[in-house]
Amino acid sequence: DVKVTQSSRYLVKRTGEKVFLECVQDMDHENMFWYRQDPGLGLRLIYFSYDVKMKEKGDIPEGYSVSREKKERFSLILESASTNQTSMYLCASSSPGLGGTGELFFGEGSRLTVL
Amino acid sequence: RKEVEQDPGPFNVPEGATVAFNCTYSNSASQSFFWYRQDCRKEPKLLMSVYSSGNEDGRFTAQLNRASQYISLLIRDSKLSDSATYLCVVNLYNQGGKLIFGQGTELSVKP
Repeated sequence: DVKVTQSSRYLVKRTGEKVFLECVQDMDHENMFWYRQDPGLGLRLIYFSYDVKMKEKGDIPEGYSVSREKKERFSLILESASTNQTSMYLCASSSPGLGGTGELFFGEGSRLTVL
Repeated sequence: RKEVEQDPGPFNVPEGATVAFNCTYSNSASQSFFWYRQDCRKEPKLLMSVYSSGNEDGRFTAQLNRASQYISLLIRDSKLSDSATYLCVVNLYNQGGKLIFGQGTELSVKP
């Protein structure tokens, strides 16, 4: 069974704290993604990576950074958390599909609350 | 205008009903299309891809209309277990295969 594992299901942090969200996949996928999901806005792409050490900005990268030191691991970092970063964060991975991205496999999500 | 738009619903239907969802996309360079399903408090999972000729998987039928830039999902003989949010997804080949998600359509099937 394919597996994408996110380190924390629920986190509560204070404004200004540094937050690490870890994601590990066991499918040897090249592509990894971080999305956030908010009511009425759907899933929005924060950052993605097509290879180790490589990263690309998505639609809403401000306030976030990422790290991909190993193929199976993609970390999302909030350098200084703010209340508007309270959200559900979803990590996903895929193999390259024909002409683009293949099926996305998601982790269970990390619900972050910033107080 | 959003790149991918869906009616958020909720659609409340009785068991056995047929229900259809539409999704419109704005980028004519979009090349591949998908429906994902997301259960309450769960992650999205691929339901089916959408092909130009239309495709069917059991009670589910997906259609693509490139001229009008919309995708549809038809569910026949609705089951209670079909209750979920259905996400329309578009693949932008000219942006490195970037996937754009609609905000989802909520379906609630009642006994």
